[in-house]
Amino acid sequence: NAGVTQTPKFQVLKTGQSMTLQCAQDMNHNSMYWYRQDPGMGLRLIYYSASEGTTDKGEVPNGYNVSRLNKREFSLRLESAAPSQTSVYFCASGKNTEAFFGQGTRLTVV
Amino acid sequence: AQSVAQPEDQVNVAEGNPLTVKCTYSVSGNPYLFWYVQYPNRGLQFLLKYITGDNLVKGSYGFEAEFNKSQTSFHLKKPSALVSDSALYFCAVRDEAGTYKYIFGTGTRLKVLA
Repeated sequence: NAGVTQTPKFQVLKTGQSMTLQCAQDMNHNSMYWYRQDPGMGLRLIYYSASEGTTDKGEVPNGYNVSRLNKREFSLRLESAAPSQTSVYFCASGKNTEAFFGQGTRLTVV
Repeated sequence: AQSVAQPEDQVNVAEGNPLTVKCTYSVSGNPYLFWYVQYPNRGLQFLLKYITGDNLVKGSYGFEAEFNKSQTSFHLKKPSALVSDSALYFCAVRDEAGTYKYIFGTGTRLKVLA
């Protein structure tokens, strides 16, 4: 039972480069989320998708875009990476009463 | 707007002693409340939730939490701490009313001393 799978696990980017973080879930959940985790700031919601075909901004959406490709997949794109986007990124999927998290992507922008 | 506050960055407790990790929340409607735990270099693992019903909720690994509506609190507790409980704990809230956003606190690092 894979749950929520994120790729890659680690990535180093140069300032200005672009990349896409991939997330897939196999639990048939409608809702999916992208969070970033920074020391002392907890988890902050970047974007979420309540259902296939819809996406909404969270607390910190600037510099990011998302695509809900289908019910299983929800990708996060950094068009022009900045050092301030150095963080650990978590994807989650959820039903009404619980969210399930992937193992995270550690991104460093130099 | 939804918000969660975890007032303590770190909690230290001796092994075998009871522990409490504090959480207060703000939400416009009825809250769905959650506790998650994160071990080093891992994702978040679900511990327990309050949706409705009994104010004392029991969860994984012997943890429990008490929902107090008048104080808008949802403190995490365990009667007897283990060294292996040392980790980062997050409280989260979701508004029952309709948005599907889970909003997290800043986390509390629990250190259980042998």
